[in-house]
Amino acid sequence: DTAVSQTPKYLVTQMGNDKSIKCEQNLGHDTMYWYKQDSKKFLKIMFSYNNKELIINETVPNRFSPKSPDKAHLNLHINSLELGDSAVYFCASSQPPIPELFFGEGSRLTVL
Amino acid sequence: ELKVEQNPLFLSMQEGKNYTIYCNYSTTSDRLYWYRQDPGKSLESLFVLLSNGAVKQEGRLMASLDTKARLSTLHITAAVHDLSATYFCAVDRNYGGSQGNLIFGKGTKLSVKP
Repeated sequence: DTAVSQTPKYLVTQMGNDKSIKCEQNLGHDTMYWYKQDSKKFLKIMFSYNNKELIINETVPNRFSPKSPDKAHLNLHINSLELGDSAVYFCASSQPPIPELFFGEGSRLTVL
Repeated sequence: ELKVEQNPLFLSMQEGKNYTIYCNYSTTSDRLYWYRQDPGKSLESLFVLLSNGAVKQEGRLMASLDTKARLSTLHITAAVHDLSATYFCAVDRNYGGSQGNLIFGKGTKLSVKP
């Protein structure tokens, strides 16, 4: 069973479109995250939710909107996609007090 | 602002050799993490280091943490091809933090050649 699963794994879309990525974890963790990995493999946190409550919101354009319907799910919606949004988006989860992250397989977004 | 620097960024090794990857960070932190990423794949947690002097070993990899020097090392012993991957260290932005606000290094791409 996959612990942290993301869908879709690949997205190819045109500039200006809106897209969503879904994430689910079956580890029973309270905290979930979205990280972005750019073309140079640099990883940066975008958002974190603890038990459905937003706790980390880095400097991310407001075109990106996370939603956590319950503590096992964290979705990412992106409006008006831009070329610079092309990246791999990783969902992760952890259980406080030790934030050892368990990552999903990533969703590769390509904006044309 | 917390900065995390890894070196080297690229490492080509021969099988059977030993080497060390270094991870320096710029502000006080007591928690450091090492991850492995294979090409096109997810990140896998390798080590969680939670205190000064912590040392952990798994197979041919050993990680240590010196919080006073703000330095962690990942030592590779008798490298084998299967260790080829990119290795990331990450430091929690918040001292004693539990929120997972991790700052990642740029990664060290390790290639082990026969």
